[in-house]
Amino acid sequence: GQQLNQSPQSMFIQEGEDVSMNCTSSSIFNTWLWYKQEPGEGPVLLIALYKAGELTSNGRLTAQFGITRKDSFLNISASIPSDVGIYFCAGPLSSGSARQLTFGSGTQLTVLP
Amino acid sequence: DSGVTQTPKHLITATGQRVTLRCSPRSGDLSVYWYQQSLDQGLQFLIQYYNGEERAKGNILERFSAQQFPDLHSELNLSSLELGDSALYFCASSVASGTGRFNEQFFGPGTRLTVL
Repeated sequence: GQQLNQSPQSMFIQEGEDVSMNCTSSSIFNTWLWYKQEPGEGPVLLIALYKAGELTSNGRLTAQFGITRKDSFLNISASIPSDVGIYFCAGPLSSGSARQLTFGSGTQLTVLP
Repeated sequence: DSGVTQTPKHLITATGQRVTLRCSPRSGDLSVYWYQQSLDQGLQFLIQYYNGEERAKGNILERFSAQQFPDLHSELNLSSLELGDSALYFCASSVASGTGRFNEQFFGPGTRLTVL
């Protein structure tokens, strides 16, 4: 099946630093999603991208939909302690009328004070 | 709070047993999705229901089954449990079935299943 390769697997950064993570696929996706998961909770959608080349921001978060439709990037600027969590890229597979999500393996972000 | 509720929060049981996980979608959402999150497999789609009907199946074992009731809540039944079934099970809901533009899926807090 389709797989999303997400990197890096983990990051340890100092508060105030910028963060970049990316996701690649061997298949084309028409939508790219970025989720954040905090301990004891379900994933929460941060940004959705619908068009190749699209650049979308949500506060300090910026994500881009790659031109090839096979990759996406998430940047977090000026990190703060509450940015800690696992960040997942995801893409919806479409089969008929279904829209199940395929997830990357996640990037565990730790922000050091 | 996503508006999706799941019960129970934690479940501890023994191998060979059967359990039922329950999910109530957000008000107005007709689609329910079940996902399994384990350390070795990550987050994986199991099954989707839309307005009471099964719409898609992912990596769901034959020992697992689900249904969506007329009031739109859903249950995931796991039987003949094995140690490897220990995982977080998430339910998500969305407004529509998935045709057209992607509809955001809102995830519940999950049920942590431990099989001893």
